[in-house]
Amino acid sequence: KQEVTQIPAALSVPEGENLVLNCSFTDSAIYNLQWFRQDPGKGLTSLLLIQSSQREQTSGRLNASLDKSSGRSTLYIAASQPGDSATYLCAVFQGGSEKLVFGKGTKLTVNP
Amino acid sequence: DAMVIQNPRYQVTQFGKPVTLSCSQTLNHNVMYWYQQKSSQAPKLLFHYYDKDFNNEADTPDNFQSRRPNTSFCFLDIRSPGLGDAAMYLCATSSLSRPLAGAPSFGPGTRLTVT
Repeated sequence: KQEVTQIPAALSVPEGENLVLNCSFTDSAIYNLQWFRQDPGKGLTSLLLIQSSQREQTSGRLNASLDKSSGRSTLYIAASQPGDSATYLCAVFQGGSEKLVFGKGTKLTVNP
Repeated sequence: DAMVIQNPRYQVTQFGKPVTLSCSQTLNHNVMYWYQQKSSQAPKLLFHYYDKDFNNEADTPDNFQSRRPNTSFCFLDIRSPGLGDAAMYLCATSSLSRPLAGAPSFGPGTRLTVT
């Protein structure tokens, strides 16, 4: 059974700092991996999608990497801003089951 | 714009009173999902449809049912809501064409309150 783990569970940083969020998964048979942002009481906003054949994706200040063989992904946020404060969820699209399996998320707080 | 729409965005129901949440999509995706997300927890898959084929998760309570009358619509029925069913309910769609799976698209969610 696929399990997705995100470390740390919570992170607080000063504005302007670069930071890394970690995601690991136990079964490397995935179609893709996706990073989402979730604001309190809101739905999910897709940030980056990495197909299993890719190593990284970039969007603005965000960069996500994928090492499928080791079951790891990172989300790098450059020059963090208070508006980046949210919970970041990692999810893998499980091969052969059509299922998206989520981690519990990392709650990020960027302090002005 | 093509999208996933959930109605209503906020739903209040009474303990034990049946409630239906709806999801529609204009993406023509063949897979539709329902997730339950409780406060500070990861979204939990309840069930999904692959075309007309219904796939129930083993630990989804019998209290939860789903219908997909056509490609565009999917409904979540909670037959007798309990206080523990208060949560955000997320609908998602995906187009599966192996070996690549399309990125799931999520609706804005319906927040269910049970009084």
